[in-house]
Amino acid sequence: DVKVTQSSRYLVKRTGEKVFLECVQDMDHENMFWYRQDPGLGLRLIYFSYDVKMKEKGDIPEGYSVSREKKERFSLILESASTNQTSMYLCASSFATSRKAPLHFGNGTRLTVT
Amino acid sequence: AQTVTQSQPEMSVQEAETVTLSCTYDTSESDYYLFWYKQPPSRQMILVIRQEAYKQQNATENRFSVNFQKAAKSFSLKISDSQLGDAAMYFCAYRSASSGTYKYIFGTGTRLKVLA
Repeated sequence: DVKVTQSSRYLVKRTGEKVFLECVQDMDHENMFWYRQDPGLGLRLIYFSYDVKMKEKGDIPEGYSVSREKKERFSLILESASTNQTSMYLCASSFATSRKAPLHFGNGTRLTVT
Repeated sequence: AQTVTQSQPEMSVQEAETVTLSCTYDTSESDYYLFWYKQPPSRQMILVIRQEAYKQQNATENRFSVNFQKAAKSFSLKISDSQLGDAAMYFCAYRSASSGTYKYIFGTGTRLKVLA
């Protein structure tokens, strides 16, 4: 069965800390995504990766960076966490060969920055 | 730029009844894909149904069906015989079929409550 695993369901961090959110998929998907989910705003794309070491900015990349050293793993990094980054973070993956391929999501990480 | 609008933040339906969630989108493209995703309280988002814009026939998956009106840019989800397990956030999403594009554009979601 398809699986996207996010390393933490809940995280509490302090302002200014460097935060790593990890995501692993076992489906050999080329595309991986990081979304932020906020009430009333839906899902907003932070970063996208279509191959190892390749990345593109999404709609809200400010304050975030990403790393994709292996095909199955896509990390989201908050260089210096701020309270306005308190949110739900969703990782997703999909095949690149078919544009009708759906996204497969992880369970999400609820991050609180205090 | 494409946009997706879900105008109903919250809906309620009685168990065993039928409910329709609305979604409209704006695009200048003719070829694209539309999706409905469900996010239950457990939080994992799962695909409910998918529609290809070049197909006139409305997609159906068991109790879930869509009413795809391409000219009106409307893509509503109908849930028949609603069950308690259908309670969730539902998101409508759009993806262009153009090469070189990768973005899935999501609406703001509709929270569906199912009343016993």
